[in-house]
Amino acid sequence: DTAVSQTPKYLVTQMGNDKSIKCEQNLGHDTMYWYKQDSKKFLKIMFSYNNKELIINETVPNRFSPKSPDKAHLNLHINSLELGDSAVYFCASSPSGLSKLFFGQGTRLTVV
Amino acid sequence: SQQGEEDPQALSIQEGENATMNCSYKTSINNLQWYRQNSGRGLVHLILIRSNEREKHSGRLRVTLDTSKKSSSLLITASRAADTASYFCATDGEYGNKLVFGAGTILRVKS
Repeated sequence: DTAVSQTPKYLVTQMGNDKSIKCEQNLGHDTMYWYKQDSKKFLKIMFSYNNKELIINETVPNRFSPKSPDKAHLNLHINSLELGDSAVYFCASSPSGLSKLFFGQGTRLTVV
Repeated sequence: SQQGEEDPQALSIQEGENATMNCSYKTSINNLQWYRQNSGRGLVHLILIRSNEREKHSGRLRVTLDTSKKSSSLLITASRAADTASYFCATDGEYGNKLVFGAGTILRVKS
């Protein structure tokens, strides 16, 4: 069983569309994250949730809205997609605070 | 801003050689972690070293931490083609509430 799974793996969409990426972890972890990796491989944290509660919200356009229906799931909804949103988005989880992170396989988003 | 900066940006070696990657960071930390990312995959945790530790080993990996110089190194001994990947250091950042990643070192091991 995959520990942290994201869907879809690839997403190609047009500018202006709204899309969602789903993430689920079966590790029983309390904390989940969304990271964005750009074309130069820089990995930047976007959001962090602990037990369904938002604890980190970096400087991210409010077109990005995370939702955590329960502590095993953290979804990312993006409105009005722009070309600059093209990147690989990674979901991750950790048992507590800043212990080691378990990453999903990533979602490669391409906005055309 | 990036907390960790890896050096070199890219490294190409022959199978069997050792590979050393360095990471420098700016603020005080509680721990520093190293991750590996194979092409097209998610990051995989390799090793965590706490601020009161100087050296840690895991299999062919050896990590050192020098908090006075705010730097860490990752040594992979007897490298294999399967070690070809990007390697990232990560620290718990200025406020200790998030893991901040460096830019990564791309390692290529030629067989």
